[in-house]
Amino acid sequence: QSALTQPASVSGSPGQSITISCTGTSSDVGGYNFVSWYQQHPGKAPKLMIYDVSNRPSGVSNRFSGSKSGNTASLTISGLQAEDEADYYCSSYTSSSTYVFGTGTKVTVL
Amino acid sequence: EVQLVQSGAEVKKPGESLKISCKGSGYSFTTYWIGWVRQMPGKGLEWMGIIYPGDSDTRYSPSFQGQVTISADKSISTAYLQWSSLKASDTAMYYCARVDELRGPVDYWGQGTLVTVSS
Repeated sequence: QSALTQPASVSGSPGQSITISCTGTSSDVGGYNFVSWYQQHPGKAPKLMIYDVSNRPSGVSNRFSGSKSGNTASLTISGLQAEDEADYYCSSYTSSSTYVFGTGTKVTVL
Repeated sequence: EVQLVQSGAEVKKPGESLKISCKGSGYSFTTYWIGWVRQMPGKGLEWMGIIYPGDSDTRYSPSFQGQVTISADKSISTAYLQWSSLKASDTAMYYCARVDELRGPVDYWGQGTLVTVSS
């Protein structure tokens, strides 16, 4: 199975909102509400930001939100802050009973 | 406190075998899935496969089927990722990751094990 498609980079100024897309197929993103988003800072392990399309784990800022329409999921970061600068990956459960990650998006805070 | 502690960095030659480990603590090891994720230098995350230590049910991503073996020893709360013959292209950081139930997200990650394969 192929990696989910994300934009390579997204940027925004502090305080702005940005949205990262994650496009798959009916065998992954479109077929299940099991899409997660992870944040990864350089040299660190990833951190769960959103699960089951739109749920936030305890401790994650409410500036992070998720949604899905058809085969495309999205992560929105509102009120962008310097600490949000990182790589972001989506992930989906698949019809092969495993998972697939997105290609990753580098978020830059201008 | 839930912890996944991985074995240390490895430097190996092409053709050698390797087994890296991930020890879980602070939770019931047999009732959560453990997955393995590869991150090649400067690249993105890739799911390799996942195992349920309770009954050793294992699922591999198609790209990694036959390339690696995932196993677990529930008596010592440890999951493993092994190679029988390493290639230079196996050079990467490898993370283990806990999944509450199949289909669910990763809620805890190991610190990563860097594997370097070079002649």
